[in-house]
Amino acid sequence: DGGITQSPKYLFRKEGQNVTLSCEQNLNHDAMYWYRQDPGQGLRLIYYSQIVNDFQKGDIAEGYSVSREKKESFPLTVTSAQKNPTAFYLCAAGRGPLGTDTQYFGPGTRLTVL
Amino acid sequence: AQSVTQLGSHVSVSEGALVLLRCNYSSSVPPYLFWYVQYPNQGLQLLLKYTSAATLVKGINGFEAEFKKSETSFHLTKPSAHMSDAAEYFCAVSSNNDMRFGAGTRLTVKP
Repeated sequence: DGGITQSPKYLFRKEGQNVTLSCEQNLNHDAMYWYRQDPGQGLRLIYYSQIVNDFQKGDIAEGYSVSREKKESFPLTVTSAQKNPTAFYLCAAGRGPLGTDTQYFGPGTRLTVL
Repeated sequence: AQSVTQLGSHVSVSEGALVLLRCNYSSSVPPYLFWYVQYPNQGLQLLLKYTSAATLVKGINGFEAEFKKSETSFHLTKPSAHMSDAAEYFCAVSSNNDMRFGAGTRLTVKP
């Protein structure tokens, strides 16, 4: 069963702690993306990666970091520098460069900072 | 820069009525256009996409959208709403190296 998996589904963090969100895909797509979703604001791009060992900042990269050591995996770390991290985080994958093809989304991780 | 405007953050229709969700875009180059649907606490699922072929695009679950270049619009329609259509709908515009999502429209279907 092909798709995008994200874990955990719900995550709670204390202020000042870093936390890593997992994203795995078995679609064999080159590109992967991380979005943040806040109520009434749609999706905003955090980071994206077109190929292994390469990634680019999106519109709201401050306070976040990523790695792309394997084609299948694109973890996102929310650092203590992110001032307002409580949000719904969505990972996606696609065949082509950003903006050229359909993106396939995972089920999301809801992060709450206590 | 590209942008997307979805008119109406909330739309309510009766079961069996026409669904019309509005999307206008701005782009300096011919864009790709998408409609995605999101059910509560889930990821987004593609409904349909326009990639410069036919201007009337048919998608899943009976939805369709028409690309109107003169109006820079890509409105989503469904002739007869079903209770299962209740969800949030996102319009997106993209071209090389950039993709923008609208703020979303929440569709409520009344019995």
